[in-house]
Amino acid sequence: DAKTTQPNSMESNEEEPVHLPCNHSTISGTDYIHWYRQLPSQGPEYVIHGLTSNVNNRMASLAIAEDRKSSTLILHRATLRDAAVYYCILRDLAYSGAGSYQLTFGKGTKLSVIP
Amino acid sequence: NAGVTQTPKFRVLKTGQSMTLLCAQDMNHEYMYWYRQDPGMGLRLIHYSVGEGTTAKGEVPDGYNVSRLKKQNFLLGLESAAPSQTSVYFCASSYFMWVGINEQFFGPGTRLTVL
Repeated sequence: DAKTTQPNSMESNEEEPVHLPCNHSTISGTDYIHWYRQLPSQGPEYVIHGLTSNVNNRMASLAIAEDRKSSTLILHRATLRDAAVYYCILRDLAYSGAGSYQLTFGKGTKLSVIP
Repeated sequence: NAGVTQTPKFRVLKTGQSMTLLCAQDMNHEYMYWYRQDPGMGLRLIHYSVGEGTTAKGEVPDGYNVSRLKKQNFLLGLESAAPSQTSVYFCASSYFMWVGINEQFFGPGTRLTVL
């Protein structure tokens, strides 16, 4: 899987939007961009995914650059419950063997939300 | 649905002792995974299973064994625990799809300390 680069940490004020960046300059044409987050003392949870177009769901929005070499996870109104480590992960969409479902986690971005 | 559950939640071992961590899922998922997470790091894949009776090595398999005798259960064994295996262990599961997002669902983790 291609490598991603994220800032180690970010801060946001409560109820303000948060933009979490991810660089993936070596992304391949069939790599999907996944975001997971890990709340304190919990296992990771899926947030959102996308390929080329911007995506929205109830948790967040994902903005993908036109050249796909970077993406941004957007939390529209940060709450205290959004304080977590956010992981940007690339993985090929298609099944290519038993190991192809592996998720490669980096260190992610630790988001702190200030009341 | 309980989702993914892990037993035990905490455990302290002495060097050389053995133990088994149990993961159970009630979502009828084909794939199951064991990860470890060391302080300040992302998750690393230990072993995974693509179905009942089938297991494979991940990124950091040494010192661990696994078994998947039933579809809903995935066991992680430490035959002779070492201090380097002090970590938080997460289990996850997912569906099999030829093409798809393959969202992984994680358990709450087991915090293991080896003295």
